[in-house]
Amino acid sequence: GENVEQHPSTLSVQEGDSAVIKCTYSDSASNYFPWYKQELGKGPQLIIDIRSNVGEKKDQRIAVTLNKTAKHFSLHITETQPEDSAVYFCAASALSGGYNKLIFGAGTRLAVHP
Amino acid sequence: GAVVSQHPSRVICKSGTSVKIECRSLDFQATTMFWYRQFPKQSLMLMATSNEGSKATYEQGVEKDKFLINHASLTLSTLTVTSAHPEDSSFYICSARVGGFPYYEQYFGPGTRLTVT
Repeated sequence: GENVEQHPSTLSVQEGDSAVIKCTYSDSASNYFPWYKQELGKGPQLIIDIRSNVGEKKDQRIAVTLNKTAKHFSLHITETQPEDSAVYFCAASALSGGYNKLIFGAGTRLAVHP
Repeated sequence: GAVVSQHPSRVICKSGTSVKIECRSLDFQATTMFWYRQFPKQSLMLMATSNEGSKATYEQGVEKDKFLINHASLTLSTLTVTSAHPEDSSFYICSARVGGFPYYEQYFGPGTRLTVT
């Protein structure tokens, strides 16, 4: 089945710096890769996603890149702000038991220091 | 983005009682909803996939008689934790899918913190 690995598990940056989180997946049939931001005590919030027919997608300070050949995708946050501090999860779609579902990475705890 | 609500946000119950958690899609119809469980500092663990009008599909290791899921309408799914025990204490999060395969998106509710005493 699909397996998603996410690195690093923790990331600490200074305000204004860039942050990069990387994920790898195992199922070459995966075609949808969303990223979620989860603040303490809240549900995950979809912040950006990318599909397998696109190599890069950008939304203001956030961008995601996808390398299908290498089976990895990355989240890039530029000009980080303290409010970017949260846990970020990557996910990859997988077909299992006839159902399409998301497989999540273990998460990256991002801390942005003023 | 689409909005998913959950109720209650926090519940404390005594061991042996049952608790029902509601998940609603507020501005869209969701034929497929998901229930996740999350332990502190861990990732999201899928418990079951719920399709409107049919029985839920449970992940391996999840007791379907303990975690009853009902997806009675296109905007409402419920999770009932039956005969709750302290080990069932956790953060339960529902999610709803918008759009059809392969161009779908998945949105999460705010979560329900269950504490069983």
